Amino acid sequence: DTEVTQTPKHLVMGMTNKKSLKCEQHMGHRAMYWYKQKAKKPPELMFVYSYEKLSINESVPSRFSPECPNSSLLNLHLHALQPEDSALYLCASSQVVRGGRDGYTFGSGTRLTVV
Amino acid sequence: GIQVEQSPPDLILQEGANSTLRCNFSDSVNNLQWFHQNPWGQLINLFYIPSGTKQNGRLSATTVATERYSLLYISSSQTTDSGVYFCAVEGSGAGSYQLTFGKGTKLSVIP
Repeated sequence: DTEVTQTPKHLVMGMTNKKSLKCEQHMGHRAMYWYKQKAKKPPELMFVYSYEKLSINESVPSRFSPECPNSSLLNLHLHALQPEDSALYLCASSQVVRGGRDGYTFGSGTRLTVV
Repeated sequence: GIQVEQSPPDLILQEGANSTLRCNFSDSVNNLQWFHQNPWGQLINLFYIPSGTKQNGRLSATTVATERYSLLYISSSQTTDSGVYFCAVEGSGAGSYQLTFGKGTKLSVIP
């Protein structure tokens, strides 16, 4: 299995809602990442998990809360988002932090709209 | 941090034409990848190529790490090649933990 699976593919939520994005990989990778991509821009790093521990938070607002329950799963909990948080959220994994032998594998993303 | 520049920013090709996309980076790298993002947003890994040359069907890539650039060649382009091509690098310096993306080349292949 060489895939990173993200669910849901699309999500519309109100500013008072709580929702979660899910990411799963079964490649034995020990580093997992959340990226945010706005329209017509490149992806930007949000969080890095290494061996299930948060190692990097790129000054992301607390309304985004990551969680890594085990080595295969990565969640992103969303609460009290703003319309400007609407974006494509991409999950990625790699063997270890700093890419490893084969680099990074990305999921197909969750397209989030905040209304 | 490391800087990544891609050129051209936009490219329109007739189906069947060949093209070369360029990626310049400002420092030594551990990792360089080329990705294709399709119109649905999926980011597909084309090549992991921190140095050397690789080929996969109609696509090939070359990275000259000592001169800090990489090239992606697309031959006999097809409409399904349309989308945005990103070059992303991971610097080799201490404290480099992430992929830094270029701004991308938007490719449109017309029939």
